[in-house]
Amino acid sequence: GAGVSQSPSNKVTEKGKDVELRCDPISGHTALYWYRQSLGQGLEFLIYFQGNSAPDKSGLPSDRFSAERTGGSVSTLTIQRTQQEDSAVYLCASSLDPGRNEKLFFGSGTQLSVL
Amino acid sequence: AQTVTQSQPEMSVQEAETVTLSCTYDTSESDYYLFWYKQPPSRQMILVIRQEAYKQQNATENRFSVNFQKAAKSFSLKISDSQLGDAAMYFCAYRKYNTNAGKSTFGDGTTLTVKP
Repeated sequence: GAGVSQSPSNKVTEKGKDVELRCDPISGHTALYWYRQSLGQGLEFLIYFQGNSAPDKSGLPSDRFSAERTGGSVSTLTIQRTQQEDSAVYLCASSLDPGRNEKLFFGSGTQLSVL
Repeated sequence: AQTVTQSQPEMSVQEAETVTLSCTYDTSESDYYLFWYKQPPSRQMILVIRQEAYKQQNATENRFSVNFQKAAKSFSLKISDSQLGDAAMYFCAYRKYNTNAGKSTFGDGTTLTVKP
């Protein structure tokens, strides 16, 4: 696609429910990243995909968080048994490859609110 | 661990004037990248400008320029001839030289208001 697409744009859920957030990267981009942005703060790295594999999951805050990527394209971030502290904007970015000189292209994020 | 500090939570500027956003960072590395990103209300982060630490010359992109002081670990962003469309949250970010493109450390941001 023309840009990184994320859905839903906004998600309100009840504490304890599971949620799935979707990221559709730019076509041909092999590298994909998920970030969490809490209110008034910068981006916190969650996980990185190269193709369908995730060589770096170091930022996932707990085992309630998981992510997968299929077909080297769409990625889904799943949060199980959501807690109020999970409320944040979840941003996805992609790049042509993970090289250090690569430019990141960001989506518009999903605003998650856990009541 | 690297840290990035933006000491100005909010700044405002009059349209057509110049504003400078501050950023300091802490690192023991000698080779690294520094970035300024813009996040408008649409939430989509956009790269504004990038500086490689080994380059002494300050990066410039049209109305945006940086003042990179390596010894002081300071990396400020100057926006000249401010426009209404510059209103956004600005994030300073740091990344070690041989690090994956997405593994930057971000500051907490500065919200810039542009007054007509």
